Order: sequence, then C-alpha cells, then structure tokens
Amino acid sequence: AQSVTQLDSHVSVSEGTPVLLRCNYSSSYSPSLFWYVQHPNKGLQLLLKYTSAATLVKGINGFEAEFKKSETSFHLTKPSAHMSDAAEYFCVVSHSGGGYQKVTFGTGTKLQVIP
Amino acid sequence: GAVVSQHPSWVICKSGTSVKIECRSLDFQATTMFWYRQFPKQSLMLMATSNEGSKATYEQGVEKDKFLINHASLTLSTLTVTSAHPEDSSFYICSARQTGPGNNSPLHFGNGTRLTVT
Repeated sequence: AQSVTQLDSHVSVSEGTPVLLRCNYSSSYSPSLFWYVQHPNKGLQLLLKYTSAATLVKGINGFEAEFKKSETSFHLTKPSAHMSDAAEYFCVVSHSGGGYQKVTFGTGTKLQVIP
Repeated sequence: GAVVSQHPSWVICKSGTSVKIECRSLDFQATTMFWYRQFPKQSLMLMATSNEGSKATYEQGVEKDKFLINHASLTLSTLTVTSAHPEDSSFYICSARQTGPGNNSPLHFGNGTRLTVT
C-alpha cells in the first residue's frame, strides 16, 4: 500500500519569508519521492527528487526538501518566497514493487505569496 | 532535460465529435506514458497507462471505448476522446518516464490540454 498526504491545501506567506509545504507518505517499499510545481493551465514541472541518496535534496528555484524516514516526511522548503513561487505544489511517491511501477499523487498545496 | 510535448494546448469541440490529443517525448524514449485528468482545484487522476506496442491499462471507472489510447512508437502516445460530451470537459495531462531500471526516473509532464465540449 502507498499513500501521500499533503497536510495543507492552502499556504499563504509574505514575499521574502520562508516557505514550508508539508508532505507525509507511507509505502510498503523503498520509495522515491518527488515535488512538482504546477502553474495555472500548465503541466507539472519537477522541482526535486529523492532516490535513496542524500536525504537533503536541493532542487530548482531555491527549493529543497529533506527526507526523514523516521517521520515518513518529505517537506518542501524555501528560505525566501518570491512572487513567482505562487502556484500549486504536488508531492509524489513512486515505487517499483510486485513487478510494476506505482505513482501516487498528493492532493496538492496551493501557495499564495503576498506582496 | 527531458521534454514532453502535448498538443493541442486547448481545444473546443461540439458534443458528439471526437478529439485527439498527442503526447510526444522529444528527446528520450518512453515505453510507458500516462494519461491524467485534472478537475478544477483537484489533484491529477490517473486515467490509463499507455504501453508501447500493447494495449493500454485503464484505471477502474475509466471507459476504454470512450478514451482510446494508442502508443504506436517509443515517442508518441495519443488519447482520443470519442463522442465527447460536456462532462468530458476537463484538463488532460500526459506524462512519460525515461526508459530505465527501477523507480528513480521522475515523470516528465506535458503542458496539458484544456478540452471544452459545447
């Protein structure tokens, strides 16, 4: 079984302040974890991925995420929000088990950046 | 980086007509592509997994005769919405994973197709 929980459907921050988007997962296998960003009427763009190497992963646009196995979390952070960061963010877990690949999406977190 | 091109980006059609959406991996081969549907303010719902050279695998509740998928080559998958109705209006997104072992390769997404059926 595999699931992803994004704890906040909406997050609002002021420009220049830190961003924290929370994600918890469960998986019966050793998963790979990803964060994607979606701007309105666009596809999803990969921000970063964790694939059992370093637990602190740096991505594009200043984002990073830390894989914490003990907490089954993969929270996305950025030190200073920019107006262009306003978008929908999806946490995704993937595993290959039982002879097939399974990908599960979180429900998304909408990030609002206030000027 | 890996690029997935989806075409058209938007389409308006009349009820009863069919619409074809293309998904191409531009700089890599993809034996598997995925088709999603996204309702407003919701996450992506997997519709089907498209396998090159074989039949697509549909998720429960998705009508295979309504949403025809063809994956004729390692770089192209198509989704045809047949006899479209207004309730088929939605945002459709495809994704592809570079062929390789394990689950380390991320999915690469097209920019989506906004379908409006009048």
